[in-house]
Amino acid sequence: DQQVKQNSPSLSVQEGRISILNCDYTNSMFDYFLWYKKYPAEGPTFLISISSIKDKNEDGRFTVFLNKSAKHLSLHIVPSQPGDSAVYFCAASAEDDKIIFGKGTRLHILP
Amino acid sequence: EAQVTQNPRYLITVTGKKLTVTCSQNMNHEYMSWYRQDPGLGLRQIYYSMNVEVTDKGDVPEGYKVSRKEKRNFPLILESPSPNQTSLYFCASSNRKTYEQYFGPGTRLTVT
Repeated sequence: DQQVKQNSPSLSVQEGRISILNCDYTNSMFDYFLWYKKYPAEGPTFLISISSIKDKNEDGRFTVFLNKSAKHLSLHIVPSQPGDSAVYFCAASAEDDKIIFGKGTRLHILP
Repeated sequence: EAQVTQNPRYLITVTGKKLTVTCSQNMNHEYMSWYRQDPGLGLRQIYYSMNVEVTDKGDVPEGYKVSRKEKRNFPLILESPSPNQTSLYFCASSNRKTYEQYFGPGTRLTVT
């Protein structure tokens, strides 16, 4: 049973436009959510996080929105830049300290 | 420089030959974790540790062992590797409170 789902394996966005990556989860006990970015041949790097007591967190071009009633979070990147082309992973943690990752979404920024 | 190091980066071995992948962090982080990344499956947590001498199973612990004798080190041990353990492995560490993990560069393991 997949507790963290990223239903879009890939996404293409024009440079300068908004990229929206989505993530759904099933476990209502998750209390912290994170987004990671991964380039080929490198380890993932932390991007942005949000606690379950908030509904929005912003850091520069990156904003994460959390809708607890829908068990849905999204990452907005504005404006999208060529260096944003990467695989993005959504992750969640619960009180048991396990961290569950989604399968990832590959973002292509088109010139 | 804050970092997580893993060794070796690449390893080809044969079925049944015990191996250890080392992981070390220099950030005094409490939380350390091992993941494997497989095509179409994303990152799956193998084991994690909340502090010295405290380890717990993640989602895919079968066939792996870990130990946490020192805060900075968290080795992954495969007592009897099998071909289905061929994968890309990542070690990560974080401050337990935030879980904003720093990842190592990865170890690509092939078991023939």
